[in-house]
This record gives sequence, C-alpha cells and structure tokens, in this order.
Amino acid sequence: DTAVSQTPKYLVTQMGNDKSIKCEQNLGHDTMYWYKQDSKKFLKIMFSYNNKELIINETVPNRFSPKSPDKAHLNLHINSLELGDSAVYFCASSQLAGVSTDTQYFGPGTRLTVL
Amino acid sequence: AQRVTQPEKLLSVFKGAPVELKCNYSYSGSPELFWYVQYSRQRLQLLLRHISRESIKGFTADLNKGETSFHLKKPFAQEEDSAMYYCAPFHTGGFKTIFGAGTRLFVKA
Repeated sequence: DTAVSQTPKYLVTQMGNDKSIKCEQNLGHDTMYWYKQDSKKFLKIMFSYNNKELIINETVPNRFSPKSPDKAHLNLHINSLELGDSAVYFCASSQLAGVSTDTQYFGPGTRLTVL
Repeated sequence: AQRVTQPEKLLSVFKGAPVELKCNYSYSGSPELFWYVQYSRQRLQLLLRHISRESIKGFTADLNKGETSFHLKKPFAQEEDSAMYYCAPFHTGGFKTIFGAGTRLFVKA
C-alpha cells in the first residue's frame, strides 16, 4: 500500500511525559509536514521538512521537536506534555517543496490525549 | 496578513438541494487554491484544485479574484457528501498551504 502512515493512532498520556509520534511515507516524496488539528477542527501547520532539512517552523513551543532521519520519515517528539497539546496530529507529504500546485497526501492522524 | 475564511462552521442541506461552501481569502498576489475533504473516519484528502479546473464528485469551485473567493459548489447534494471541507490557499511567500477553519457539511435524507 502506497501511503502516508502514522503510529500510534491513539496516544493517551499524563501531563509532563515525553512522547513521540512517527510518520512514514512510501510515495517517494521530498517534503513532509506536521499539522495540528484542535478540538474545533482548525488545522494548522507546525513543521515542514524537505529532504531532511527544516523549511517551515511555525510558532510552536520548543517542547516540540521534529526529526527527519531520511526523507521518507518525519517524527515528532514532544517533551513535557501539557493539557493543551491534546489534539489530532496529521502528517502529510508532497512531491516538492514550495510548489503552489502540489497536492499534499495526509496520514490517518494521531489522536493525542493528555490527562 | 495572509488569511483564509470559511464563514460557516456547519452547513446542513437536504439531499438533492444545491450546496455552496464559502471561502474567502486575503492574499497578496495570486494564490493557488485547493479544497480538501475529510470524510468520517477517513484521512484528509484533496478534493479539487483551482489550477485543474476540474469537477470532482460533482463539485466545482470558481476563483473570483474580484471578490477574493473560491466557493465550492454542487448542484445536487448527496448523503455521501457529508464531511468536513477545508479551503486551502497555497501561500507562495511562505511556501506553505494555509487551511481554513473548515465547514462541516451535513446532507440530510
């Protein structure tokens, strides 16, 4: 199956913990993204990597640290989790970076609940 | 500031009725515009994009530069159209896609 996959699908954890979400794409794309979807379904970009290099870094607390070991993987590590981090996190990929006509392909999402 | 507005959080129509999901953008230059859809329990996916001038699942969207709008339309809504719809202009200055807040479409039988 060619797709964007994320693990885990659900993540429930306590405040203050550190957790990671993994994303992999086998579409051969050069660019990957992390989005946060809050409880009101508002979707906001957090980070974007092109060929393992960070190209977009929105105003995100530095408790969030993306890591791209290769262009097919983009992981998101979150330190000292807070209640406000509860959301659905979507990974996405596209063929090129900064190309206006490029379609993004989304992962299924990871629902993070911080208690 | 670059901004996209979807004024309706929820739109409820009867099956067979026309539907229009509104999208207005505030951008310098000419952005490329997309509509993405998220069906229940499915991942977000591209519905259509302005540059392709296509009609997908009966939906079309016309870019009106004068009104800075990119409304999504379908003449006869179907129950399977019930989903969350996001208008998404591509911000060429920031090399990123900006997503609107989304409109939930509910098509009633």
